[in-house]
Amino acid sequence: NAGVTQTPKFQVLKTGQSMTLQCAQDMNHEYMSWYRQDPGMGLRLIHYSVGAGITDQGEVPNGYNVSRSTTEDFPLRLLSAAPSQTSVYFCASSYSLGRYNEQFFGPGTRLTVL
Amino acid sequence: DAKTTQPPSMDCAEGRAANLPCNHSTISGNEYVYWYRQIHSQGPQYIIHGLKNNETNEMASLIITEDRKSSTLILPHATLRDTAVYYCIVGPSGNTPLVFGKGTRLSVIA
Repeated sequence: NAGVTQTPKFQVLKTGQSMTLQCAQDMNHEYMSWYRQDPGMGLRLIHYSVGAGITDQGEVPNGYNVSRSTTEDFPLRLLSAAPSQTSVYFCASSYSLGRYNEQFFGPGTRLTVL
Repeated sequence: DAKTTQPPSMDCAEGRAANLPCNHSTISGNEYVYWYRQIHSQGPQYIIHGLKNNETNEMASLIITEDRKSSTLILPHATLRDTAVYYCIVGPSGNTPLVFGKGTRLSVIA
């Protein structure tokens, strides 16, 4: 299994540009989520999904869109990039949001918005 | 907001046990205690979880107090590769995802 994969690893955008961060998992996990991590900070939840076709907002959803058309993929869309969105983005998945919640994280996408 | 309180940083000598404390005084009866760690800028990695009883795996031991209001993660023989940020997390509750705080930055010193 490849686990959780994220592309691209690095990205530089100009203010106002849009882009999609890709996340895929091959473990047949129901639950997927996106976090952002700013320097010296913990992870903050952006959006999450408990299954295909179902998404919900986390702590910091503004400026981001998600959709979950398949179990495997959970892309994160930046609608109009702003310098405040400069961060490292992590995607995670787990079998379910049940009582045992071991999340598997991807390697991250490092995004800089100029 | 995170439901846990951890010291911002700790040091440990290489080869010694690292004991990382965590307070979670508002934990509810059906919530688990999870520990994750993040080495440098990699994605967080699951370490261990527990509900009431002490737990041990190949990476660490988790000691939960009887009233469940605090816990300690123990790395029995810390190595330089254990230098990382360690997150203590309580959850999930229903369909609420894990909430990460700032964690404890553990520095293992040679």
